[in-house]
Amino acid sequence: DVKVTQSSRYLVKRTGEKVFLECVQDMDHENMFWYRQDPGLGLRLIYFSYDVKMKEKGDIPEGYSVSREKKERFSLILESASTNQTSMYLCASSFIYEQYFGPGTRLTVT
Amino acid sequence: EDQVTQSPEALRLQEGESSSLNCSYTVSGLRGLFWYRQDPGKGPEFLFTLYSAGEEKEKERLKATLTKKESFLHITAPKPEDSATYLCAAHNNAGNMLTFGGGTRLMVKP
Repeated sequence: DVKVTQSSRYLVKRTGEKVFLECVQDMDHENMFWYRQDPGLGLRLIYFSYDVKMKEKGDIPEGYSVSREKKERFSLILESASTNQTSMYLCASSFIYEQYFGPGTRLTVT
Repeated sequence: EDQVTQSPEALRLQEGESSSLNCSYTVSGLRGLFWYRQDPGKGPEFLFTLYSAGEEKEKERLKATLTKKESFLHITAPKPEDSATYLCAAHNNAGNMLTFGGGTRLMVKP
């Protein structure tokens, strides 16, 4: 079974803080993704990575950065958290097409 | 631009009342059509992949079908535990990204 884990289920941060969200997959997948999910807006892609140290912007990259130093780990960084980044963050990985998701991190920025 | 539209947005069924969820897609060179189930506060759980028109996949009370313009998720004799949001997504012939629909929220009452 594919296993994608995320470092926290719930996170509360203050405006202006630097926030790190970690994602680890155990299936040796090439591709990893970060999405945010908001009511009425669905799933929106923030960034994805198709190889170690490679990254590409998704639909809404502003205010975020990513890091992929090892194949199994993909980090999402909020450089200076803002209240409009309060959301559910979902990590996914894939070998080719089928994406497998982690449990999600509910981030609240106050 | 690729587009995936799901209908209805919400569906209430009585236990045992069969129905279908619709996923219409406009994608350049479909490489795969995916169905996911998402429970509240959790990440999407992969259900099915369909690759070509006429293909069908089944799992318990769920059956997914695909035509050249849409996919259906048929739910036969649903139970309350089938209540969830069902997402469909399409993969085109360029890049590694999925285009997601907005989801159908299914509620099955006992």
